Amino acid sequence: EPEVTQTPSHQVTQMGQEVILRCVPISNHLYFYWYRQILGQKVEFLVSFYNNEISEKSEIFDDQFSVERPDGSNFTLKIRSTKLEDSAMYFCASSLAGARETQYFGPGTRLLVL
Amino acid sequence: AQKVTQAQTEISVVEKEDVTLDCVYETRDTTYYLFWYKQPPSGELVFLIRRNSFDEQNEISGRYSWNFQKSTSSFNFTITASQVVDSAVYFCALCDNTDKLIFGTGTRLQVFP
Repeated sequence: EPEVTQTPSHQVTQMGQEVILRCVPISNHLYFYWYRQILGQKVEFLVSFYNNEISEKSEIFDDQFSVERPDGSNFTLKIRSTKLEDSAMYFCASSLAGARETQYFGPGTRLLVL
Repeated sequence: AQKVTQAQTEISVVEKEDVTLDCVYETRDTTYYLFWYKQPPSGELVFLIRRNSFDEQNEISGRYSWNFQKSTSSFNFTITASQVVDSAVYFCALCDNTDKLIFGTGTRLQVFP
């Protein structure tokens, strides 16, 4: 069964460094998402992406964040200058165009900013 | 505004007990979808169920059952004869006319042997 994959599974970085989290969505999906879960808290929507542009973003998704689909398979989340409060689990998800509500989640990347 | 409320932060039961996890939602849309996800200690989100707003039939899948009541805006989840492997955080989520899933704060279920 096709699945969403994410790399790396864990990342440790120093405050102020740039990080890129990578996702490979399911191949025939056209909508892509990033969510964040701070330890012990709920999962929060960050951004949705369709047709090479952001379709919706939350107030969390400020200028420090960017997303890109650099090729036909990868979908990336970049944090330009990490802060301590960016430490969280980041989930990528994807969905079919005709069923956007059914989002398939990847296993997550656990980011720790020191 | 969309909102999902899971009032129970933590529930502890002994194996073989039945347990119900509550979920109350708010939305102005008439078409929406409701979900339950399980998050085990390993951290991934495991999809359990999706219901659309036009289907109020209760659903049973093995030891799991879901009760959807539009009149009270609730979508409760019951585990029958709980097992230690059911220990996890369970999230209820809502998707209406936007692209995003709105999650509740989760209920941590601990099942003791």
